[in-house]
Amino acid sequence: NAGVTQTPKFRVLKTGQSMTLLCAQDMNHEYMYWYRQDPGMGLRLIHYSVGEGTTAKGEVPDGYNVSRLKKQNFLLGLESAAPSQTSVYFCASNLAGSYEQYFGPGTRLTVT
Amino acid sequence: KQEVTQIPAALSVPEGENLVLNCSFTDSAIYNLQWFRQDPGKGLTSLLLIQSSQREQTSGRLNASLDKSSGRSTLYIAASQPGDSATYLCAVRRATNKLIFGTGTLLAVQP
Repeated sequence: NAGVTQTPKFRVLKTGQSMTLLCAQDMNHEYMYWYRQDPGMGLRLIHYSVGEGTTAKGEVPDGYNVSRLKKQNFLLGLESAAPSQTSVYFCASNLAGSYEQYFGPGTRLTVT
Repeated sequence: KQEVTQIPAALSVPEGENLVLNCSFTDSAIYNLQWFRQDPGKGLTSLLLIQSSQREQTSGRLNASLDKSSGRSTLYIAASQPGDSATYLCAVRRATNKLIFGTGTLLAVQP
């Protein structure tokens, strides 16, 4: 049981490039989330999903897209990276009806 | 808009001391409040969850309290150890499973 895993762990992009971050969980959780963590600002919710094929916007969704084609995977896409998207990105998941969110180890993204 | 603040931003204590971390929130309409621990380069680990109807929760050397009416929570750590060194985050939960996080307190326990 690997829990929540994130790929890649680190990435450096140039402004305007695109990339996809992958989150995978093997706990059969319905709910999945993407957060970003910036110095002095805590974690902020980008997008979330309450089930396969459904996604919704969080607090800071602009510049990001997501997809949940399979229950175990939640993808976060940056179509045209900007320096303001330099951050640490965390994925989390939980069972429906449970408040226990399990977090992945994070992806450190730098956009130059 | 819900805002969550944690004071102090950083704290250094000698091993063995008891300490209190503070969390305040602006909107008392919450489902529950959760305390997390974050180690450098790692994800978050849940420590304690207090439902809005509860006043406190305990786990080992940790005790979390909640005063919803005043918008405050505290995390009490007894007999601190160097292994307690980490960033501690509080988060309030409103609709569904949306968490609003505080900015965290970086704790260093000196041996």
